[in-house]
Amino acid sequence: GESVGLHLPTLSVQEGDNSIINCAYSNSASDYFIWYKQESGKGPQFIIDIRSNMDKRQGQRVTVLLNKTVKHLSLQIAATQPGDSAVYFCAESNQAGTALIFGKGTTLSVSS
Amino acid sequence: GAVVSQHPSRVICKSGTSVKIECRSLDFQATTMFWYRQFPKKSLMLMATSNEGSKATYEQGVEKDKFLINHASLTLSTLTVTSAHPEDSSFYICSASRGYRGNIQYFGAGTRLSVL
Repeated sequence: GESVGLHLPTLSVQEGDNSIINCAYSNSASDYFIWYKQESGKGPQFIIDIRSNMDKRQGQRVTVLLNKTVKHLSLQIAATQPGDSAVYFCAESNQAGTALIFGKGTTLSVSS
Repeated sequence: GAVVSQHPSRVICKSGTSVKIECRSLDFQATTMFWYRQFPKKSLMLMATSNEGSKATYEQGVEKDKFLINHASLTLSTLTVTSAHPEDSSFYICSASRGYRGNIQYFGAGTRLSVL
């Protein structure tokens, strides 16, 4: 289950700051993880993914870190912009199937 | 990324009527499609998984006679909410997976269902 104190339901940052969104996943057998961004009234949008044989992966302005020892996943957004304001969900799955299990979500608010 | 189209985006209906929601993968063949339900300020809850040409697999607690899923082709899945009631009001989201590229699911824009 969730690690108490690790997951923040909301995160407020200033434009230009770096943001770090955390997620604790539940299944030690999970080997695939995805971060999604969901804007109000829309479906989730794929941001970045990582497999369990990696501990870090970088995209454009985003980095995902995976710590399998403590079952922790984080999303780092560099130079956060107002357009990054949304709810961010982590999701996990295992190799046996393709169904995703979603985390609780963190609402990121970026002020200019 | 891949494009998944969901229609309609919003529907308001009277209690007792049935509502059909369509999910199409526009630029790829989706071996698997998924249907989720999302309550306000909550996470996505998987309702069912459907593979083309076979019966959907429903999650525990989801009534298969209430939420009919048809996946007749590799690009189209439909969810029919039968005899809808106010408690069925929710945001329904579909997703589609290519299958070969890991487990990335591409999501539709969602359907807001309001049952009066």
